[in-house]
Amino acid sequence: NAGVTQTPKFQVLKTGQSMTLQCAQDMNHNSMYWYRQDPGMGLRLIYYSASEGTTDKGEVPNGYNVSRLNKREFSLRLESAAPSQTSVYFCASSEGRGRYGYTFGSGTRLTVV
Amino acid sequence: QKEVEQNSGPLSVPEGAIASLNCTYSDRGSQSFFWYRQYSGKSPELIMSIYSNGDKEDGRFTAQLNKASQYVSLLIRDSQPSDSATYLCAVNDGYSTLTFGKGTMLLVSP
Repeated sequence: NAGVTQTPKFQVLKTGQSMTLQCAQDMNHNSMYWYRQDPGMGLRLIYYSASEGTTDKGEVPNGYNVSRLNKREFSLRLESAAPSQTSVYFCASSEGRGRYGYTFGSGTRLTVV
Repeated sequence: QKEVEQNSGPLSVPEGAIASLNCTYSDRGSQSFFWYRQYSGKSPELIMSIYSNGDKEDGRFTAQLNKASQYVSLLIRDSQPSDSATYLCAVNDGYSTLTFGKGTMLLVSP
């Protein structure tokens, strides 16, 4: 059982480049989330999708876009990467609105130079 | 603004001791409470969930919830060096996204 799969695991971008982080879950969860984690800042919610066909902004959405492609897949796009977006990105999914907690993917370590 | 507060640590305990991790939250409407363990360079892993006042035990882990005082705690008995990690507290009101604390780093020395 794979759970939540994120790709890629590591990425180095130059300032201004674009990229898409992919996330897929095989647990038939309705809700999916994108977080970034920076030292001393904890987990910060970027965007989430409560159900297929809906997306909402989280705490730090600027500079990012998302697509809920289907029930399984939720992608995060950086249109023009900036050094401030250097971070570890986690995708997560949950049944319903998170009453039973989230399951996290293994993360993507992104460096923007 | 919903907040979850944790002491950042590090909390240092010797092997075999009881580690006590605490968390307070601001939203009285919170209904679900979670403890995640995160090893350095890894993703958060759910280790305990609790939904009602009192204690919940799972192996060496005990979660404690006191809704009146708005705090949640995690006790780790017989701490092992492999328990060294950052522990994240998270709460949920059943409607919106989870609110996470910034985590407490636990160091268990042999």
